[in-house]
Amino acid sequence: ETGVTQTPRHLVMGMTNKKSLKCEQHLGHNAMYWYKQSAKKPLELMFVYNFKEQTENNSVPSRFSPECPNSSHLFLHLHTLQPEDSALYLCASSQDGAGGRTDTQYFGPGTRLTVL
Amino acid sequence: GQNIDQPTEMTATEGAIVQINCTYQTSGFNGLFWYQQHAGEAPTFLSYNVLDGLEEKGRFSSFLSRSKGYSYLLLKELQMKDSASYLCAVHGSSNTGKLIFGQGTTLQVKP
Repeated sequence: ETGVTQTPRHLVMGMTNKKSLKCEQHLGHNAMYWYKQSAKKPLELMFVYNFKEQTENNSVPSRFSPECPNSSHLFLHLHTLQPEDSALYLCASSQDGAGGRTDTQYFGPGTRLTVL
Repeated sequence: GQNIDQPTEMTATEGAIVQINCTYQTSGFNGLFWYQQHAGEAPTFLSYNVLDGLEEKGRFSSFLSRSKGYSYLLLKELQMKDSASYLCAVHGSSNTGKLIFGQGTTLQVKP
């Protein structure tokens, strides 16, 4: 149990659907992250939020829309996705996003997304 | 550019020792992390190095040489449950927590 939960764990959606991924952390952290993990590729950072403010958008297509209503919750809203967006989407949290040992990122189990 | 290299796959025998290497080229450096990820599960934190040298934690040790842009993760007394992917990641900047990941090394431990 890492203290970071994600729902749903699995999601199958069509290209015209709209869905949302949810992440919740119970660690008292102030930074949250979305990553995409595809087979045989490094984890790709998508978005970073520090104290509810977005501080990083790693050139992510607009069909992915993040939302961070408070420091404990992070959402990823999905619409008109493409089959190549099928991947494992991981959420992580850390102390304050400032780096260093005390800013170790802790990951949730991920949502396995399949786009048909 | 920013680049982290590690071998794609390794195989080792139960009870043996295995060393997983990681080389990095980043514009900045504020620490290197190793994570373990079992299939279908979350990456879990294993170790952190920011100064040169060896950090030991039970059966796992991690080494860093900043001048060479090199780290390794050493796993001793391998167990079947150590079969997993091992991810090397670098804080590439001194003032952000942004991590740059390698593609991961899939370790298979055989009886």
